[in-house]
Amino acid sequence: DGGITQSPKYLFRKEGQNVTLSCEQNLNHDAMYWYRQDPGQGLRLIYYSQIVNDFQKGDIAEGYSVSREKKESFPLTVTSAQKNPTAFYLCASSIVVGRTGELFFGEGSRLTVL
Amino acid sequence: SQKIEQNSEALNIQEGKTATLTCNYTNYSPAYLQWYRQDPGRGPVFLLLIRENEKEKRKERLKVTFDTTLKQSLFHITASQPADSATYLCALENYGGSQGNLIFGKGTKLSVKP
Repeated sequence: DGGITQSPKYLFRKEGQNVTLSCEQNLNHDAMYWYRQDPGQGLRLIYYSQIVNDFQKGDIAEGYSVSREKKESFPLTVTSAQKNPTAFYLCASSIVVGRTGELFFGEGSRLTVL
Repeated sequence: SQKIEQNSEALNIQEGKTATLTCNYTNYSPAYLQWYRQDPGRGPVFLLLIRENEKEKRKERLKVTFDTTLKQSLFHITASQPADSATYLCALENYGGSQGNLIFGKGTKLSVKP
């Protein structure tokens, strides 16, 4: 079955450490996204990518980095510069970045900073 | 900037009744609006998309309306069941943010009691 796989599902990090969240899709979608979800808040866009080797900052990109070396993969690194990294992270994909593209989401990764 | 509001954080109804969730937005009129379902600890799942020139869209027990004059979308679940209990998110195209970005509401948590 096609879909999006995020790993790990749960991750604990000490302050000052960088961590990388994995996102893989086999839907053959061009566009991929990373969102952050906090309690009581809507999903907020961190980064998105329309094609391989290209990505754009979203509304809250500070303290995060991404790469898009393969169409299937869009890993997110949460750096030590991110001041409040504890959150639920969601990866998504769509056929294109466009006016009607529904998003297909992974199951999420919950990051906790100790 | 665009704002999107979902009428309440939580809605409790009795099984068999119709649940009605509201999504209001300000500023510009989006070309489309989407609704997603999210279960606890999981990624959102796309339910319906309605375009600005469509008044109503149906899918099984779900119905969505889109009133561009009121800047409002209503999401109805008829003959509700306990299995419908989840958080429902509305999302619309965000011209003010990153190109192709969706802006999400905070969600309404629906609880259907047997």
